[in-house]
Order: sequence, then C-alpha cells, then structure tokens
Amino acid sequence: ETGVTQTPRHLVMGMTNKKSLKCEQHLGHNAMYWYKQSAKKPLELMFVYSLEERVENNSVPSRFSPECPNSSHLFLHLHTLQPEDSALYLCASSQDLPTSGWSDTQYFGPGTRLTVL
Amino acid sequence: SQQGEEDPQALSIQEGENATMNCSYKTSINNLQWYRQNSGRGLVHLILIRSNEREKHSGRLRVTLDTSKKSSSLLITASRAADTASYFCATRDQGAQKLVFGQGTRLTINP
Repeated sequence: ETGVTQTPRHLVMGMTNKKSLKCEQHLGHNAMYWYKQSAKKPLELMFVYSLEERVENNSVPSRFSPECPNSSHLFLHLHTLQPEDSALYLCASSQDLPTSGWSDTQYFGPGTRLTVL
Repeated sequence: SQQGEEDPQALSIQEGENATMNCSYKTSINNLQWYRQNSGRGLVHLILIRSNEREKHSGRLRVTLDTSKKSSSLLITASRAADTASYFCATRDQGAQKLVFGQGTRLTINP
C-alpha cells in the first residue's frame, strides 16, 4: 500500500503483558510519528521523531514508551495498558519535519489494531 | 486540540454523483491537507493546498480553501464504489510541527 509497514497487524494483550509495535519505513524519510485512532475520536498524535531524536511527546502516559533506533525504524513499547488503550495505532513518516520547509505530506502504515483485555 | 472539523459526519450518495465534504478550522494555518482512510487501514494522502492557494485539482478531486472563512471543501466528481472511505482534513498551524486531524466524513457510494 505504501512504503511504511507495521507489525503486528492485530494484537490482543492482557493488562499485565508487555508487547511492542514495530514500524519500518522504506522511503528514506527523516521524520516518523505514532498516532492513536480511537472510535469516534480524532486522530491523536502521540510522538514525533526526527533523525532518531524525539521532538514531541504529546502528554502520552508512561505506559507507552517509544524507541527510534535509526531513521527507518520506530517502536512503541507497551506495558500495563488499560482497556481504554484499545485502538488502531498508526505509524507515519515524512521527508522531514514540516518546519524544515519540506513537504508536509505524511505517509501512513496500515496500522496495528490493539485490543487490551 | 482538535482543529479541523468535517461536515457532514456521514454522506451516502449514488455512484456517479458528486460528493462534497467541508472542513472548518480555527487558527491561521500554513496548509491544509485531505486524507482518505479505508476501513481499518492507514491514511492515504490525497491533496495539499497551501494558505496562499484558493483551489487545487487532482484527477476527480477538487479542493478549495477560503482562509477568510477558515474553511475548505473537497469535491469528488463522478463518484465510484471504490471512493467509499472516511475522509479527513488535517491542518498545520504557522510554525507548528504537527498536523491536527478532524474527525472525518464517512462517505458511502451506493452502486
């Protein structure tokens, strides 16, 4: 679909589990993003990374821990989640941060559907 | 904070008809984008219009921007069943690094 892949596509976990979501982009982009999409709510930005450095943390609870080991990979580590964290988690990338003057266009992965029991 | 608000929330039309969706926002923006999302999938970028542009076309898509009214519209002409999806507007404030998405319009094209 796009040059951004996400694994797994579906995940069911208990509240005491630890799991990780993985995102990989094959577009040579420098910026990567995690979004949360819940039913009947706008897309919520969680984290922004530029060249492996976190540049924005949008008041996300500490049970979500991002990691960006290089500009092509982005992880979201999950620990002791709550049922209300069930949602579609979307990863996106862009050429660079919008304020750099590059295109604002973001390229999204297919998402991970997370269910917390 | 929510910036773009789409209207209507849901739209159902017959194949071949035109579909119009609107987006309103509150602040001064650098640009406005429209994205499409098929059910349970990622978003796909459709078109970007900058604050100094008034109209833009891409295939069957036409986007307008009225910065005085802080609103944009997306027109899909000659709709097809494959156009069934949710459509989101996203805005970026001047100097901001992030996009803010609206809640979307759910478009259904009936054969």
